[in-house]
Amino acid sequence: GAVVSQHPSRVICKSGTSVKIECRSLDFQATTMFWYRQFPKQSLMLMATSNEGSKATYEQGVEKDKFLINHASLTLSTLTVTSAHPEDSSFYICSARRQVNQPQHFGDGTRLSIL
Amino acid sequence: DAKTTQPNSMESNEEEPVHLPCNHSTISGTDYIHWYRQLPSQGPEYVIHGLTSNVNNRMASLAIAEDRKSSTLILHRATLRDAAVYYCILRDVTGGGSNYKLTFGKGTLLTVNP
Repeated sequence: GAVVSQHPSRVICKSGTSVKIECRSLDFQATTMFWYRQFPKQSLMLMATSNEGSKATYEQGVEKDKFLINHASLTLSTLTVTSAHPEDSSFYICSARRQVNQPQHFGDGTRLSIL
Repeated sequence: DAKTTQPNSMESNEEEPVHLPCNHSTISGTDYIHWYRQLPSQGPEYVIHGLTSNVNNRMASLAIAEDRKSSTLILHRATLRDAAVYYCILRDVTGGGSNYKLTFGKGTLLTVNP
């Protein structure tokens, strides 16, 4: 089956720190990767879509300078939360897809807590 | 985006079948119906998807109404591990279509009683 690995699973850091989250497709090449954010008791909210080798497409209201996305290879995408503040605390989930007509496979998420 | 409507929550007993409904009256002809589920503190997991015909896989069955305005996810024998939020999603193929984004609603929280 398709496996997506996300690391780290949990981060606790001080306000002002930048945090990098990695998302890897372990057994397939992902032409497209997605980044979601989920607040407690709410549904997933899509933040951005990235295609390998291209700039990410951000959803309305998501600051691209705040949430830096790099999709340098077909198996790796990274999300960097720059100068994180307590309001950035959330559950961040990545997803990867082989091709446009195939299901998305999700990582197990990263719980980010900013003190 | 075409929207879906699901009950907020449902309960089931272990080893009994579960029918999770989803209404999507504004579905377009090229929208696929996708189901994902999310267990507590995990990322979503793909369950099944279909277009017009009923679909079966090792996890579940998907029954699609003839007019495609509703569908039902069927878990044949619920286990405690099936307790999760189940999302019914119409895949977004508009706006150039190249990204086919999944937009999550609130889903149905399924509780399975032992």
